[in-house]
Amino acid sequence: GAGVSQSPRYKVAKRGQDVALRCDPISGHVSLFWYQQALGQGPEFLTYFQNEAQLDKSGLPSDRFFAERPEGSVSTLKIQRTQQEDSAVYLCASSPGPGNQPQHFGDGTRLSIL
Amino acid sequence: DQQVKQNSPSLSVQEGRISILNCDYTNSMFDYFLWYKKYPAEGPTFLISISSIKDKNEDGRFTVFLNKSAKHLSLHIVPSQPGDSAVYFCAASRYSGNEKLTFGTGTRLTIIP
Repeated sequence: GAGVSQSPRYKVAKRGQDVALRCDPISGHVSLFWYQQALGQGPEFLTYFQNEAQLDKSGLPSDRFFAERPEGSVSTLKIQRTQQEDSAVYLCASSPGPGNQPQHFGDGTRLSIL
Repeated sequence: DQQVKQNSPSLSVQEGRISILNCDYTNSMFDYFLWYKKYPAEGPTFLISISSIKDKNEDGRFTVFLNKSAKHLSLHIVPSQPGDSAVYFCAASRYSGNEKLTFGTGTRLTIIP
């Protein structure tokens, strides 16, 4: 597609359930980023991939958060044993490669944990 | 530790006048700066950027100014139009390697017709 695609757009889960969020970057983009945006705040970095390699996962808030990009294209962010504080909008962004800003964002997945 | 700060949560400007949005940063390692615009229920959309080797970058109605000594940047929109009403985020990164973005908390701009 023309832009970054994220699915689902909205996800409601009960506390303790596992969720998986998907990101389809712009075709050919090497770099892929995940951000978390809480209400009233700016996006905060979670993790970064260059092709299939996860080069930085310093922003992942706990070991319940896991991301992968096995073939260097689609990426999945998985949250295990969800908690209420995980409620946020999860944004995915891609760029052509290192040194090639700007990052282009998808519309995000709004996650609500009940 | 908020490394990128947007101290004005909101701003209202008359249509046709200039809108000025401000941003301050504390990390001197940042060398690339971007402005994004965000409408409700949509992802941030890139507007304009500037590298630390410049002090001004212009693109149509949008101009970004960078004052490295003050660690301050601003976005000027002239003339302001109703479609400019949105939340504006300032972001900063290091140009090489992992260019993860550090965002401010945003400024909600409202253009009054």
